[in-house]
Amino acid sequence: EAGVTQFPSHSVIEKGQTVTLRCDPISGHDNLYWYRRVMGKEIKFLLHFVKESKQDESGMPNNRFLAERTGGTYSTLKVQPAELEDSGVYFCASSQEMAGGNNEQFFGPGTRLTVL
Amino acid sequence: DAKTTQPPSMDCAEGRAANLPCNHSTISGNEYVYWYRQIHSQGPQYIIHGLKNNETNEMASLIITEDRKSSTLILPHATLRDTAVYYCIVLLYTDKLIFGTGTRLQVFP
Repeated sequence: EAGVTQFPSHSVIEKGQTVTLRCDPISGHDNLYWYRRVMGKEIKFLLHFVKESKQDESGMPNNRFLAERTGGTYSTLKVQPAELEDSGVYFCASSQEMAGGNNEQFFGPGTRLTVL
Repeated sequence: DAKTTQPPSMDCAEGRAANLPCNHSTISGNEYVYWYRQIHSQGPQYIIHGLKNNETNEMASLIITEDRKSSTLILPHATLRDTAVYYCIVLLYTDKLIFGTGTRLQVFP
């Protein structure tokens, strides 16, 4: 069974440009999460989809970030325009169940974003 | 903010048991204790979770105190590949993971 995949693995862009990150969750997983780790900081939650609906987007830093999950399958995270402080590693995770507390999340390898 | 407290680093000799402690004194009755680890810069990896009872799987054992205010992750026979940052996480009802700073475990030959 394929795990969570993310594309691209690395992205280097200039400040002010746009970047779109993609995440393909494990087939059949309704829950999809985005997290990120910026330089020297802890891994932080960004948002949570249940199928195509945003369940919790409390971690999104500002309106330059837009996440979508059309059709409840793969998800994209667009940063427009990118700023220097957006540099970091963006992780996607998926899970199958949403019974309170009993929810193992499977993580992808991450996309390393560098904004110059 | 993370609801857990972990030592910043620990060492363990290869082949010995690694015991990683975690304090979660404010845990509520319906919150689970989860352990994840991150090897180098890979994505975090699930290890084990529990609510009240001790748990064991092929990777590790989880010992939760009776008052649930602390727990210990046990890697019974640590290998060099277990060198990683280990995160103890109390899972909120919203299901999002809140990572703290974790414990950096260094397994040495």
